[in-house]
Amino acid sequence: LAKTTQPISMDSYEGQEVNITCSHNNIATNDYITWYQQFPSQGPRFIIQGYKTKVTNEVASLFIPADRKSSTLSLPRVSLSDTAVYYCLVGDVDTNAGKSTFGDGTTLTVKP
Amino acid sequence: EAQVTQNPRYLITVTGKKLTVTCSQNMNHEYMSWYRQDPGLGLRQIYYSMNVEVTDKGDVPEGYKVSRKEKRNFPLILESPSPNQTSLYFCASSKLGYTDTQYFGPGTRLTVL
Repeated sequence: LAKTTQPISMDSYEGQEVNITCSHNNIATNDYITWYQQFPSQGPRFIIQGYKTKVTNEVASLFIPADRKSSTLSLPRVSLSDTAVYYCLVGDVDTNAGKSTFGDGTTLTVKP
Repeated sequence: EAQVTQNPRYLITVTGKKLTVTCSQNMNHEYMSWYRQDPGLGLRQIYYSMNVEVTDKGDVPEGYKVSRKEKRNFPLILESPSPNQTSLYFCASSKLGYTDTQYFGPGTRLTVL
C-alpha cells in the first residue's frame, strides 16, 4: 500500500477555488488515486479517481503530475456545504486489493 | 435503490454483552469492509472480505469477528465488547476491491459502558 500524506486542515471562503494536495512518493506503476468526501457522522462518498494528467467531473478536478508522486484535488467555487473531510487513497485497481488505508484526511472548513 | 444498510444505527450496551452489527448491500458487490472512526484518528479498517467465505484482517481487528456466508451480508460481531470499542462504525462495499468505488453505509454509533 502506498502511504499518503495530506494537510490536516485547510480553511477557505465561499466562492474560492480550493486545492488539496496529497503526497504519495512510493506510488506503484499500476496504482490509481482516489478521493473521497466525508460529512460529519456520514460515510465517505466517492468524488473522483485518476491515473495521470487531469480528470474532471461535475464535482471536482484531479491533477496528477508526470512523476505521479503527488496529486491535487481541486474544488471550484466552494460553498459552505463543501465543509467536510477529504481523503486520498492510492492503490492498484487491477489486483482487487482488500486492505485499505484512508489515513486522517484533510478537514476543509469553508467560511462565509 | 443501490445502497448499503447497517443495523442498528445507534446502540448503547454494557461491557461483555455480545452484539452483532449487520451490514447488507444490494449491488452484488464482491468486496465488503468494516471501518471504525474515532475522533482525530480517521477511518481505520477492521476486517474485509473479497468474496463469500473469504475474510481477512485490516489494521485493527482485535476484539472483532466477521463472517461472509452470503454475498450481500457482512456482519460485525463483538463477542465481549469493551469501552475502547466505543466508536462510529461504517460498512462499505465495492465491486472488486478497495480501490474500486466504495459505497458506505450510514454508520452505527456504538457506546460500550
